Amino acid sequence: DQQVKQNSPSLSVQEGRISILNCDYTNSMFDYFLWYKKYPAEGPTFLISISSIKDKNEDGRFTVFLNKSAKHLSLHIVPSQPGDSAVYFCAASFDNQGGKLIFGQGTELSVKP
Amino acid sequence: GAVVSQHPSWVICKSGTSVKIECRSLDFQATTMFWYRQFPKQSLMLMATSNEGSKATYEQGVEKDKFLINHASLTLSTLTVTSAHPEDSSFYICSATTSGRIYEQYFGPGTRLTVT
Repeated sequence: DQQVKQNSPSLSVQEGRISILNCDYTNSMFDYFLWYKKYPAEGPTFLISISSIKDKNEDGRFTVFLNKSAKHLSLHIVPSQPGDSAVYFCAASFDNQGGKLIFGQGTELSVKP
Repeated sequence: GAVVSQHPSWVICKSGTSVKIECRSLDFQATTMFWYRQFPKQSLMLMATSNEGSKATYEQGVEKDKFLINHASLTLSTLTVTSAHPEDSSFYICSATTSGRIYEQYFGPGTRLTVT
């Protein structure tokens, strides 16, 4: 049972435009959501997180939106840059499970110059 | 800061042999380390959680006798794949957290294991 889903395996965006990566989850008890960026043959790098009690968190070009009623979160990257091209994973966590992360399948973002 | 290394970065072994993968936190003390496995084009699947000085907690479906995890110090955890088979071929990634930043895990670069 996939508790965290990223239904778009890939996304292509023009440089300078907005990239929107989506993530859906099934368990309303998740306490935190995180986004990671991953290059081939490397480990994921933490990007941004959001607590379940918030609906938005912003850090520079990256903003994460959380819609609890829809069990949906999205990562917005504005403006998109070619260096943003990578695989993006969303992940979810419970407060009482010692930091265990449940990952989505990932979305490969390609930003074209 | 917050650098995690893994060694080796890739390894090829013969079926039936054992392989040890090391995960080190280079500039911080990791109270908890996690081991993940990733198949091509798929998500990272948590295999086990290890805390320094105690036995690892394995996820459902992961054979603890096959995937031996040792967290001997606050900077080192090892994963040993025993009696490896071709189906164990995968990308293995570790991550580490520091106390107080449990939700922000720092990942190693991964180890590509190929069993022939």
